[in-house]
Amino acid sequence: EVQLVESGGGLVKPGGSLKLSCAASGFTFSTYSMNWVRQAPGKGLEWVSSISSSSHYIYYADSVKGRFTISRDNAKNSLYLQMNSLRAEDTAVYYCARDRGAVVVGHDYWGQGTVVTVSS
Amino acid sequence: DIQMTQSPSTLSASVGDRVTITCRASQSISTWLAWYQQKPGKAPKFLIYKASSLESGVPSRFSGSGSGTEFTLTINSLQPEDFATYYCQQCNSYPWTFGQGTKVEIK
Repeated sequence: EVQLVESGGGLVKPGGSLKLSCAASGFTFSTYSMNWVRQAPGKGLEWVSSISSSSHYIYYADSVKGRFTISRDNAKNSLYLQMNSLRAEDTAVYYCARDRGAVVVGHDYWGQGTVVTVSS
Repeated sequence: DIQMTQSPSTLSASVGDRVTITCRASQSISTWLAWYQQKPGKAPKFLIYKASSLESGVPSRFSGSGSGTEFTLTINSLQPEDFATYYCQQCNSYPWTFGQGTKVEIK
């Protein structure tokens, strides 16, 4: 059974940092591209970042470019999101999500999400 | 960036109704469109990819159609468990973008 379990969320002050983790199991993690998608309270879904299976290709939303860094450790079946210079507008539930296949047609498995709150 | 616009934002329907949600892209995305269902407090669930391909395990009352810039998600014979918010997402080019969502409510 495919499982994605996020952790690392919490309350942080504006300008602070946080590192999210996503532990994957039930599939060959090293062969799938992965993503972070967030959802602000009461709002819709916003794609944040993607990383290819070998980390060769990395993409970011403009809203986080230069502040967030996506990475992965295939030996540990883990995905990460290092978030720096956090702002109030980064407050959201952060989901990790797997790309369905080699050609991206959507995200077929999602974690339960981890809550990030940026507030003084 | 490609903008995705869904309509309506909210839809009131009854069990057994046929409902249709529209998603429009600001430029052609061929059939690189996915649909998701989200219930309160839960992660999104993947329903449809490539505009019309049903993900394994998704009930056949869900269907998708369209290409280019206009797409639809149809739910035939709405069931109680289908009351949720639905999102489209374009997978044509980065940054991936989602529609703002359509909430399907009980009439």
